[in-house]
Amino acid sequence: GAVVSQHPSRVICKSGTSVKIECRSLDFQATTMFWYRQFPKQSLMLMATSNEGSKATYEQGVEKDKFLINHASLTLSTLTVTSAHPEDSSFYICSVPGSGKNQPQHFGDGTRLSIL
Amino acid sequence: QKEVEQDPGPLSVPEGAIVSLNCTYSNSAFQYFMWYRQYSRKGPELLMYTYSSGNKEDGRFTAQVDKSSKYISLFIRDSQPSDSATYLCAMSVSSGNTPLVFGKGTRLSVIA
Repeated sequence: GAVVSQHPSRVICKSGTSVKIECRSLDFQATTMFWYRQFPKQSLMLMATSNEGSKATYEQGVEKDKFLINHASLTLSTLTVTSAHPEDSSFYICSVPGSGKNQPQHFGDGTRLSIL
Repeated sequence: QKEVEQDPGPLSVPEGAIVSLNCTYSNSAFQYFMWYRQYSRKGPELLMYTYSSGNKEDGRFTAQVDKSSKYISLFIRDSQPSDSATYLCAMSVSSGNTPLVFGKGTRLSVIA
């Protein structure tokens, strides 16, 4: 069964809207979660590392004030795209590290965001 | 030079063919190597996970890692139309709480 639940799967909204995406770890508690972004025909690129109870760590070139990350519990991280613009349209995917040693990451089903 | 290079394809093969997918990388610190399958508009699904060099087999899938050449491969035997998807290689320096570095993905079509 699914290990990671991501919601919503699809968002279409007007420019200037803020959009919140949720990522839930279903099977175990996760102190760390990752947020990736994937543009059409491109690879997944890490945006930020979400840390439970502390500030997220952002990759170079990712605006922390635009992409707000909140990891308030061990099973939930949220990504809020604030005042979204058409160039923010992309596929956003979260991942959760495996529960044991040497376990791979598991990914959510992604959120396709389209800003008109 | 990008950290992980992967030919995006597209690759089209007849049903039953053996498929070979490859990635090269530049960071010799990578220790963990993964192959993910991604269907259209879906998140990546883990196929194979290997540590360091060597081979790993799971059903019709075989993953190979050659750290000396910084080269990894995924072989799919007896390919099926349901294998049609984008295959992403990914790697990391350590396991667990370490983000992955992905290749661009190779689009595979298996024609019935």
